[in-house]
This record gives sequence, structure tokens and C-alpha cells, in this order.
Amino acid sequence: DAGITQSPRYKITETGRQVTLMCHQTWSHSYMFWYRQDLGHGLRLIYYSAAADITDKGEVPDGYVVSRSKTENFPLTLESATRSQTSVYFCASSETGSDTQYFGPGTRLTVL
Amino acid sequence: GQSLEQPSEVTAVEGAIVQINCTYQTSGFYGLSWYQQHDGGAPTFLSYNALDGLEETGRFSSFLSRSDSYGYLLLQELQMKDSASYFCAVLTGFQKLVFGTGTRLLVSP
Repeated sequence: DAGITQSPRYKITETGRQVTLMCHQTWSHSYMFWYRQDLGHGLRLIYYSAAADITDKGEVPDGYVVSRSKTENFPLTLESATRSQTSVYFCASSETGSDTQYFGPGTRLTVL
Repeated sequence: GQSLEQPSEVTAVEGAIVQINCTYQTSGFYGLSWYQQHDGGAPTFLSYNALDGLEETGRFSSFLSRSDSYGYLLLQELQMKDSASYFCAVLTGFQKLVFGTGTRLLVSP
């Protein structure tokens, strides 16, 4: 039972490049989330999805795009990466969308 | 705006009891969650309080007072493996969690 996985685990890219971070869950949870974690800010919600083809913005959505064509996948794309997007990105899923969220192992992204 | 306040660091010794406080000011409130995160790891769910009072799960307990916009996580019989960061998070609306900046707990022998 793989649970929730993210790929790649580490990524270095350059300013202006497009980057896609992948998230896959095997529980068939309806809800999926993308967070970024930076020192001094805790975890901040970027986007979330209540079901396939239903997505909505979180606290810090600018510069990011998401899609959800299948329940199990929720990719996050940085259309034109900036240095301020250097962060650790966590994907999470939830059965109910409320109390318990299950987090993936994270992707450490560095934008040079 | 949304703000959650928790201490940045707490230290304790093995076997002791420690309390991590969280006060919040948010535009909506449905419940208070606590997550644990070890260095380099992912956050893992510990507890959720939607109603006032104390919830106990093994060595960990969580308390909520909605009237005071306050909650705490109580860790008993501390072990070295409890050294981690602990985040409170408010469910401000359906599906939306707002996290505090975390409390780093250092447990010494």
C-alpha cells in the first residue's frame, strides 16, 4: 500500500523554466491539497481539489497551476519558476476534506 | 487576516510532561488540528478538536476552548522520539487548513 507519493523528491531548476511536481495517492481520497513550507511561515495552502476536475485556490496560488483529471493524481505546475518559489512542497489527501490530512514525503525544489 | 501563535521552541527532559499552546485569530473556525513533523519528514496528523474540551490519545492529549480562541497539545511521558516540530492548524472553512509556524520540541536525556 503505497499511500501518497510525490516525485521528484528533489529538483533544481532555473528561473523562468516550467516545472511540474507530481502527486499520486492510492486511497481514492476525494480531496487533495498542495502546500509549500518555508522557514517562518509554516505550511501554506497553494491549491486544493475536492474531486476530479474540481480545483480551487488556497492562500498562495499565484504562479502555480493545478489540474486533476484523475482522482489519484494532482500535479502542480510552476509555469515560470522564480527564486521565491524555492521551497519544500507537500501534497496531501483527505477522505473528508476536514480533520485528517495525509501528507506525502515532500519535494524539495530549488530555483536558481 | 489569519494568525496562529505558538511558541517557537520548547525544551524538556525524558519522562516529563510538556504543553504546547496555540492561540488563533481566524476569519472562520471549524476545528483545531495538531500535526507532528520530524526533521526532513512529512507532517503527520495527531489530533482534531471541533468542540471544547480535552481529547486523549495515548500519551498525547489536545484541548480546545473556542471562547478563548485557545488550544494546547499535552505530551506526557516524553520520549526522545518526540523531538520534532508540532504545528497547530485551524480549519477555517471546508477543506482549508491554516497552519501555525510550528513549535520545535527538544527532548533531552
